[in-house]
Amino acid sequence: SQWGEENLQALSIQEGEDVTMNCSYKTYTTVVHWYRQDSGRGPALIILIRSNEREKRSGRLRATLDTSSQSSSLSITAAQCEDTAVYFCATDSNTGANTGKLTFGHGTILRVHP
Amino acid sequence: EAAVTQSPRNKVAVTGGKVTLSCNQTNNHNNMYWYRQDTGHGLRLIHYSYGAGSTEKGDIPDGYKASRPSQENFSLILELATPSQTSVYFCASGDMGRGGDTQYFGPGTRLLVL
Repeated sequence: SQWGEENLQALSIQEGEDVTMNCSYKTYTTVVHWYRQDSGRGPALIILIRSNEREKRSGRLRATLDTSSQSSSLSITAAQCEDTAVYFCATDSNTGANTGKLTFGHGTILRVHP
Repeated sequence: EAAVTQSPRNKVAVTGGKVTLSCNQTNNHNNMYWYRQDTGHGLRLIHYSYGAGSTEKGDIPDGYKASRPSQENFSLILELATPSQTSVYFCASGDMGRGGDTQYFGPGTRLLVL
């Protein structure tokens, strides 16, 4: 899990395996963003899931959201070496008015080995 | 594609000196953000802006000022730099969509304060 006092998580897998990263958040949100950060670059949005969606898919990516437990997950199917990156979840503390602000988790380092 | 650029990309400063980090976006987004990223942490919001002339404090504003002179430009200013401000700084611009702000990040500025 990425949130709270947890340190940066690290996962190491072989190419072709499936992997799931988890994120728990503390405050109310209407959306969970998942960003990917490659070495030496800024983060980039890869998938976004809203509170009225339990699951969202994009290619080999699958995001889930459970608002009752305030948790989200990101799964990658058949991981490839190019999936090696740091993955962050982020929430918008939306109380009805779009603030635009995001709060990021600590991130998960994913290494995919050939 | 969204374009956010930052300058300088690398900076070495002395303790007590003034540092200005610049960010330019060509997305015509209203929102812009400054984050810092330290090893083992996610991104932490320093200042943000909803448009030209506006700046708002983020989660860790102490020791930093911000300036938004135009839609395209957003600067982060360290009036009296300290070694604790050694970090990687990211600027982002935001597309205020429904339920959250998709943010587009620049490549980052590495700042070392000696």
